[in-house]
Amino acid sequence: GAVVSQHPSWVICKSGTSVKIECRSLDFQATTMFWYRQFPKQSLMLMATSNEGSKATYEQGVEKDKFLINHASLTLSTLTVTSAHPEDSSFYICSARVRSSYNEQFFGPGTRLTVL
Amino acid sequence: SQKIEQNSEALNIQEGKTATLTCNYTNYSPAYLQWYRQDPGRGPVFLLLIRENEKEKRKERLKVTFDTTLKQSLFHITASQPADSATYLCALGVTRNDMRFGAGTRLTVKP
Repeated sequence: GAVVSQHPSWVICKSGTSVKIECRSLDFQATTMFWYRQFPKQSLMLMATSNEGSKATYEQGVEKDKFLINHASLTLSTLTVTSAHPEDSSFYICSARVRSSYNEQFFGPGTRLTVL
Repeated sequence: SQKIEQNSEALNIQEGKTATLTCNYTNYSPAYLQWYRQDPGRGPVFLLLIRENEKEKRKERLKVTFDTTLKQSLFHITASQPADSATYLCALGVTRNDMRFGAGTRLTVKP
């Protein structure tokens, strides 16, 4: 149980285009989902916390107009990278917290974004 | 400034030995601490959670200790196997929503 999927697993896009990444909890309901970014050989950096039915909470330094997050249902959160630039190239990982857990997070497999 | 240091970027050990990974933190007061395993190109997988009022937690071949005085957690894998080779991340739980990750230690277990 507690499986989280992400789609796509990798994407290559041109500079200036927008890319949407989906995060789904497959067998449980997740009131809270998290979006992280990870650069090579670095730690996961929390970008935003997404609560179902409300606006996302962004970490300091993360542009909310550039990284649009929508958590429309208890099993789906989306991250849209708008007007992507090469410096946005990274590994984006979502996680979901089981409603009853302390803060045990189940992570998706990640999405590798490359902006040309 | 706040820091989370996993003080070995890489650790190589022989199969069958115990691997010990260290996580030190500065200027945090975490309510809990977690350890995750991450394989290349994959998302992290949860292993263990230990709360601030707990000294030690065990799960099969894994053991975690948490010393809030030393501001340190130790993660042990006993009877290590080549399949244990991965990057191990410690994560500090500042609040229920706020978790901060260390950069990880890449463990290689050689047959």
